[in-house]
Formats: sequence, structure tokens, C-alpha cells
Amino acid sequence: DQQVKQNSPSLSVQEGRISILNCDYTNSMFDYFLWYKKYPAEGPTFLISISSIKDKNEDGRFTVFLNKSAKHLSLHIVPSQPGDSAVYFCAARGILTGGGNKLTFGTGTQLKVEL
Amino acid sequence: NAGVTQTPKFQVLKTGQSMTLQCAQDMNHNSMYWYRQDPGMGLRLIYYSASEGTTDKGEVPNGYNVSRLNKREFSLRLESAAPSQTSVYFCASSVWGGASTDTQYFGPGTRLTVL
Repeated sequence: DQQVKQNSPSLSVQEGRISILNCDYTNSMFDYFLWYKKYPAEGPTFLISISSIKDKNEDGRFTVFLNKSAKHLSLHIVPSQPGDSAVYFCAARGILTGGGNKLTFGTGTQLKVEL
Repeated sequence: NAGVTQTPKFQVLKTGQSMTLQCAQDMNHNSMYWYRQDPGMGLRLIYYSASEGTTDKGEVPNGYNVSRLNKREFSLRLESAAPSQTSVYFCASSVWGGASTDTQYFGPGTRLTVL
């Protein structure tokens, strides 16, 4: 039962163009959604997040859009740069009964930005 | 400020051997987490510690034990390693305290192979 899905395992985009990464979820109780970026042999790095009560959050070249009725979020990167080439994980946050927060991750999308 | 550190970076075990993965954070975070990442899957939560002195199971705890040694350190132990535990293990930490924007920060990972 995969609660967070990233249906595109890979995406290739030209430098300077827009990259759009998509994510779908099933659990309405998630209160925050996050995007992490991961380079090979490194841990995931937090990129941007959005509260479930918002529909857009922007940080520089990165914008996350949330469509609650469709249970869908997307990450837009404009303009895309070669250094953006990495695996991007979508994650949804729920609160753990013992405290702390639980992240449920998608399977990731490998973004390749070509020159 | 090293963030989250993990040791070792790589380990090869034989079936039935035991080992402990170490994790430390220097960000004065309250909550710490252990995840595993397998090919084609997102990160899955093994165990977590919401605060010093507490530990709880995540979604895939079988075959593992944890110890929250102090506020900084959270270790993961494999008592009798099995080939199914071949994976990349990530430790993470977050401030918690109920903050709505609580974000998890990850270490670089330990790549474990069980033969």
C-alpha cells in the first residue's frame, strides 16, 4: 500500500528549461509535504516544503504546487541547471503517536539536466 | 558543525553476524530516526526516537534494535544479519517539540551488504 507515489522514475530536461516533477498521495491526514534532493553516495537534502493548507510555496528557482482535491503535488524548477541533476524524493509528513514526525517517501525521480 | 554523521560508511557482513550502526548529530535536535533505502523503493522508517529516553518502532522494525544513548547519539543494531537486510541505511534528526515546520536532516548513509 504505497501512500506516496512518484510515477516517473526518470526525467530528462534541457538546461534553462522548466523541470516538473510530480507526486501523488492517498492519505488525507498528511499535514506537510516535502521535497528532498539526493546525490549519489550522499544523504537526502531538504529542498522545499508546503503546508497542506497552502497551494503554492516558492523559494528561488523552486516552486511546489499542491492540489488537495486531486491529492497531487508538483515541484517546478526554473530554470533548470546541470547541478540540479539528482534523484528527487517527494515525502509526506504525518505526526507519530509517540512524538516526532513520520515521513512517507515516494520512490524518487531521477532528473537529468542536459547541456 | 558537522550535522548528522554516520559510521561506518560501508560494511560487509556474513549471514548471522551482528553489528551496530552509529549515528550522531550536533544540532541539538530532540528527535532521531533510522531509515533504510532499497532499490526501486523510497526510504522506509525502521525505528525512531522522539526524544532522549524514548524509542518506538517504525514500519519495518523486524530484525533491528535501537538505543538512544544520549541526546546526540542513536544507534541501530542488527543482532543476526540476513541477506534481506542488505540496504543503505540513513539516520536523520529533527528539532521536533511540536513545531509545524519540523524538518528532518539526513546523514550520508551506511551501505551494508549481507552475504
